[in-house]
Amino acid sequence: AQSVTQLDSQVPVFEEAPVELRCNYSSSVSVYLFWYVQYPNQGLQLLLKYLSGSTLVKGINGFEAEFNKSQTSFHLRKPSVHISDTAEYFCAVQLSSGTYKYIFGTGTRLKVLA
Amino acid sequence: EAGVVQSPRYKIIEKKQPVAFWCNPISGHNTLYWYLQNLGQGPELLIRYENEEAVDDSQLPKDRFSAERLKGVDSTLKIQPAELGDSAVYLCASSSGSGNTIYFGEGSWLTVV
Repeated sequence: AQSVTQLDSQVPVFEEAPVELRCNYSSSVSVYLFWYVQYPNQGLQLLLKYLSGSTLVKGINGFEAEFNKSQTSFHLRKPSVHISDTAEYFCAVQLSSGTYKYIFGTGTRLKVLA
Repeated sequence: EAGVVQSPRYKIIEKKQPVAFWCNPISGHNTLYWYLQNLGQGPELLIRYENEEAVDDSQLPKDRFSAERLKGVDSTLKIQPAELGDSAVYLCASSSGSGNTIYFGEGSWLTVV
């Protein structure tokens, strides 16, 4: 079975500081990897995705993530956060074949402090 | 290009009453999903359609939940009767095919009192 673990339920960080949101997954088959952001009272918006190729993926709003196959991780990073980055961030995996099932993590709430 | 459109955005109903949510996916997207999101949790799949066929409804509580996508475009999710524990956000999403990126609507927020 596949699973996604976001160990940090909340991450407070000061404005202009760097941040890393952690995501680990477990799967017996190859997967695609995604990060979504959810602002208050809104749906999920795609930040970035890894399908194949370069393990460093750049997304919108200055975010990037690195796929590490040996550690089964896909951590999200931003070198300098803004107040507007305050939101819930979800890591997701999708089976790359068969059912193409999507599985989401429980989310990490990023709180950017002034 | 319009995104995934859901209505209503917010709904408050009394327990045991019925409720229905509507979704219009992105034009050309033949795969449609309904997800349930509880407070502080990630989305959980309720049902996935490929065109008008429900290909994965294993997590849909069929005693009270039903869904349809009659013409392979719009979809409706119904709960009858609603229970207090159904209070959550119901997210609709679509993609151009299984294996492709999923795009979400803004969600329908249900409160059962």
